[in-house]
Amino acid sequence: GAVVSQHPSWVICKSGTSVKIECRSLDFQATTMFWYRQFPKQSLMLMATSNEGSKATYEQGVEKDKFLINHASLTLSTLTVTSAHPEDSSFYICSAVRGVHSTDTQYFGPGTRLTVL
Amino acid sequence: RKEVEQDPGPFNVPEGATVAFNCTYSNSASQSFFWYRQDCRKEPKLLMSVYSSGNEDGRFTAQLNRASQYISLLIRDSKLSDSATYLCVVNGAGGYNKLIFGAGTRLAVHP
Repeated sequence: GAVVSQHPSWVICKSGTSVKIECRSLDFQATTMFWYRQFPKQSLMLMATSNEGSKATYEQGVEKDKFLINHASLTLSTLTVTSAHPEDSSFYICSAVRGVHSTDTQYFGPGTRLTVL
Repeated sequence: RKEVEQDPGPFNVPEGATVAFNCTYSNSASQSFFWYRQDCRKEPKLLMSVYSSGNEDGRFTAQLNRASQYISLLIRDSKLSDSATYLCVVNGAGGYNKLIFGAGTRLAVHP
């Protein structure tokens, strides 16, 4: 099956610093990538939809200036959490889609666990 | 009201048991339905898609009732390795591939 990687798998940082998370589709070109966040015992929440070469579409309540998304190529999207605070500590997961139909499978990355001290 | 609602569980069952999970969704315009499995501190993995006619994959059977906006998952002959959180997932309105996740139902299978 398709493989999606994320880097880093975990990160601990001090409050106020910025953290960049990479999401790569390793064996296919992704038309769209998605970024999710999951707090403990809660569901995955979609943060933003990212298409290569265009601005990301953010979900309601997600600050675009705080969560910067750059989709530089068909195989790479990055999420930068700027000026991270303890409440940003969460499990961040990306997914990538090969096609354009609602039935096309999303392939998930292994996630990045962010802890902000 | 949440867009996708599930009983959080946990469901504690012995090996070999049959267990059923239910899920309801609020958006009648949803077209695609899935069950995902998520192990602790891991990413979700697609278990199966859910079709209107119902579908089966080995010990797993999924059913969809569009009129009631209700999805179910039946697991027969539970194995220890089935212990995980099962996520009901529906595609959201207005955007292709936009998935809405339920909070999940936790299953613990014991010897």
